[in-house]
Amino acid sequence: AQSVTQPDIHITVSEGASLELRCNYSYGATPYLFWYVQSPGQGLQLLLKYFSGDTLVQGIKGFEAEFKRSQSSFNLRKPSVHWSDAAEYFCAVGVIQGFQKLVFGTGTRLLVSP
Amino acid sequence: KAGVTQTPRYLIKTRGQQVTLSCSPISGHRSVSWYQQTPGQGLQFLFEYFSETQRNKGNFPGRFSGRQFSNSRSEMNVSTLELGDSALYLCASSLEVGAAGELFFGEGSRLTVL
Repeated sequence: AQSVTQPDIHITVSEGASLELRCNYSYGATPYLFWYVQSPGQGLQLLLKYFSGDTLVQGIKGFEAEFKRSQSSFNLRKPSVHWSDAAEYFCAVGVIQGFQKLVFGTGTRLLVSP
Repeated sequence: KAGVTQTPRYLIKTRGQQVTLSCSPISGHRSVSWYQQTPGQGLQFLFEYFSETQRNKGNFPGRFSGRQFSNSRSEMNVSTLELGDSALYLCASSLEVGAAGELFFGEGSRLTVL
């Protein structure tokens, strides 16, 4: 069965510091991978996605993620965090079998300290 | 272009009642998915509809049902509400079919069961 693990429940980063959020997945086929962000009281917004090709993908708001098949990982990075990045981040694997669903990790809550 | 619209945004029900939540997808999107988000279980897939047909259903009891109309609008219904049904219910729409299309999420309907 498909699964996604986000080992960090909370992460605190100083504003201006770099960020890396970890994501490991389990999926038998070539994965479609996503990172979503959720601000309090809001829905989910797609940051970036990986389908194939270049393993380093760029997203919105200065985020990027690197797909590493050998490690079954898809970690999210940002070189310099802004206070507005404080939110919850979800990694997901897409299951595409004539239908479409996302299997989400449990999320990582990012806190940004001044 | 308007985003995914979910109504109502907030509602309070009592145990044993039923509830209907509505979702209007982005214009032109024919796939609509529903997810339940709770602090304990995280984000879980409920079901997906395309062209008025349910293509896949998650591991939820039969009290959870849904449908999609010819204009792609979707509703989900929960009957005989239980305390554990308290959650944020998220709807997502997608343009692409059978491919890893991006899911666009609404802001959700927050259901509280007393």
